[in-house]
Amino acid sequence: RKEVEQDPGPFNVPEGATVAFNCTYSNSASQSFFWYRQDCRKEPKLLMSVYSSGNEDGRFTAQLNRASQYISLLIRDSKLSDSATYLCVVKEGYALNFGKGTSLLVTP
Amino acid sequence: GAGVSQSPRYKVTKRGQDVALRCDPISGHVSLYWYRQALGQGPEFLTYFNYEAQQDKSGLPNDRFSAERPEGSISTLTIQRTEQRDSAMYRCASSVAMGEQYFGPGTRLTVT
Repeated sequence: RKEVEQDPGPFNVPEGATVAFNCTYSNSASQSFFWYRQDCRKEPKLLMSVYSSGNEDGRFTAQLNRASQYISLLIRDSKLSDSATYLCVVKEGYALNFGKGTSLLVTP
Repeated sequence: GAGVSQSPRYKVTKRGQDVALRCDPISGHVSLYWYRQALGQGPEFLTYFNYEAQQDKSGLPNDRFSAERPEGSISTLTIQRTEQRDSAMYRCASSVAMGEQYFGPGTRLTVT
C-alpha cells in the first residue's frame, strides 16, 4: 500500500496554544481522508473527515491540498484533554491506510 | 449501544502454538476489517469481509495467517505456528457498507 507520512513528534505545547500537524500521502488517486485520534492504550477513533474545501469542528480545522498531496490539522486553544496521538488516514478502497501518528502533549 | 468487542483482550503464547482471535462486530454492520498495530505505529490493514465473503486478504503477512466470518457476523483471525514477530495489537473494525469504521479494543498478542 502507498505511504502516509507524518512527523511523529512529540509536540509539547502549553494549554491555550495553537498547534498544527501535517501529513503527506503518496497515492494521488486517493479520494477520502481523515484524522483519527488515539488515546494511550485505546482504540483509534474518528476525529474528523478532511475535505478540499477545508472543514472545521469547534477548535479543530482540517485541510486537504490535493495538488501537493498534503493534509493538515489545526487545533486552537489546546486543552489538556487534547493530549493523544493523532493519526492521518487515507482511505484506499475500503482499507484505511494510517500514518504512524503524531503525539501531542498539552501541559498546564 | 454495544461497540465492537474482541476476545481475548490479552494472549500470551509460546512460539509455534496456534492462536485464534475473535471479533464481534457492531450489530448490523456488514463490513468487518482486521488490522495489526505495532507499538509506535498506526494500524496496518490485514483483511476485509463483506458479510461472510472475504473480499481482500492482501494485507495478511503470510500463509500462517487466515481469517473467517462464516455467518457474516463474528470473525476469527487465526495465526498458525506463531513467531515472535507476530507479537502486536490485533484490532478489528466494523462498519455499515463503506461507512465509518469503528474499532474494537484489540487483542494484545505476545509470543514468547
